Amino acid sequence: DIQMTQSPSTLSASVGDRVTITCRASQSISGRLAWFQQKPGKAPKLLLYEASSLEIGVPSRFSGSESGTEFTLTINSLQPEDFAVYYCQQYDSYPAFGQGTKVEIK
Amino acid sequence: QVELQESGPRLVKPSETLSLTCSVSGDSISRYYWSWIRQPPGRGLECIGYIYYNGSTTYSPSLKSRLTISVDTSRNQFSLKLRSVTAADTAMYYCARIYSSRHKTFDVWGQGTMVSVSS
Repeated sequence: DIQMTQSPSTLSASVGDRVTITCRASQSISGRLAWFQQKPGKAPKLLLYEASSLEIGVPSRFSGSESGTEFTLTINSLQPEDFAVYYCQQYDSYPAFGQGTKVEIK
Repeated sequence: QVELQESGPRLVKPSETLSLTCSVSGDSISRYYWSWIRQPPGRGLECIGYIYYNGSTTYSPSLKSRLTISVDTSRNQFSLKLRSVTAADTAMYYCARIYSSRHKTFDVWGQGTMVSVSS
């Protein structure tokens, strides 16, 4: 099984900050990684797929990158509506999610 | 605009079968893969399994022995049956569309339905 290790588990930030969340795969996943945002009481929302492809309608302040088995979600100029939990998900093998990162108000 | 809606009992007794249906509107079920994902309270996401319109299924290895996912193209629906449930199966259950055969991630989600396992 491919294990996804996401960090940090919690991140405190202020509006306007640049935040970075990392997801590390236990083996190569050939860029087959997606990022989701989940707000309380809501279903997750797809932000990016194939590590860096922005889903239609997602603001451009969200971006993704890949370096080997390490993947990064960056939010530039954090907005009030961005405080949420973020999950990575690999789909190179059976789909599996990271443990999640809560972005909270500092 | 594609919409997904989960339906089914919200309370299931231990050792019984959890049954849910996902109704798809706004698109044909015959164009995509479709999945079930669950989230225990306060915890992360788990892909339970997924199905193609032709009935081909892929299941979570940890749930495979208790799980059946089926599709009804005439009703534009797909369903989940999880047998012999325990309290550990208490979760929010979501149905979701899979983006493509190449990108097996989840681009459209239902609102979710909370299922509790309790006597």
